[in-house]
Amino acid sequence: DQQVKQNSPSLSVQEGRISILNCDYTNSMFDYFLWYKKYPAEGPTFLISISSIKDKNEDGRFTVFLNKSAKHLSLHIVPSQPGDSAVYFCAASVPGTYKYIFGTGTRLKVLA
Amino acid sequence: NAGVTQTPKFQVLKTGQSMTLQCAQDMNHNSMYWYRQDPGMGLRLIYYSASEGTTDKGEVPNGYNVSRLNKREFSLRLESAAPSQTSVYFCAGALMGYTDTQYFGPGTRLTVL
Repeated sequence: DQQVKQNSPSLSVQEGRISILNCDYTNSMFDYFLWYKKYPAEGPTFLISISSIKDKNEDGRFTVFLNKSAKHLSLHIVPSQPGDSAVYFCAASVPGTYKYIFGTGTRLKVLA
Repeated sequence: NAGVTQTPKFQVLKTGQSMTLQCAQDMNHNSMYWYRQDPGMGLRLIYYSASEGTTDKGEVPNGYNVSRLNKREFSLRLESAAPSQTSVYFCAGALMGYTDTQYFGPGTRLTVL
């Protein structure tokens, strides 16, 4: 049972436009979420996070939105750049543990 | 400051062989993790260690064992490799765990024939 879902395996966007990556979760107890970016042949790197006490967190071109009632979060990249082409994973921190549950990832391709 | 390092980078095993994947970090992380990444499956947690001296199962622990040798090192052992264990393995560390950013190593690509 996949508790963190990324239903779009891939996404293509033109350079300069907005990229929107989506993530859904099933466990309402999750209260901290992270996005990671992964380039081929490298380990994932942290991008941005959000706590459930917020509904938005911004860092430069990257903004994460959290809709707790819908159990949905999204990552917005504006403007998208070719260097943003990578696989993006969302993850949820499991309360009371030191565990994280990752989604299946979305491959973003930004076209020049 | 090397961050999180993993050895080896690549490995090919025959079914039934054993091997240990090594992970070390110099970031003073208390928590360490082993994940596997498979196409269409994302990153799945195999085992983790919340602190030195403790280990716990993740989502997919069968066929694996771990050792938290000290604060810096966390190894993953395959006692009898199976083709289903063909995957890319990532080690990660975090300062404490909950809500802390995880820092990942570069990965080990393992093929079991």
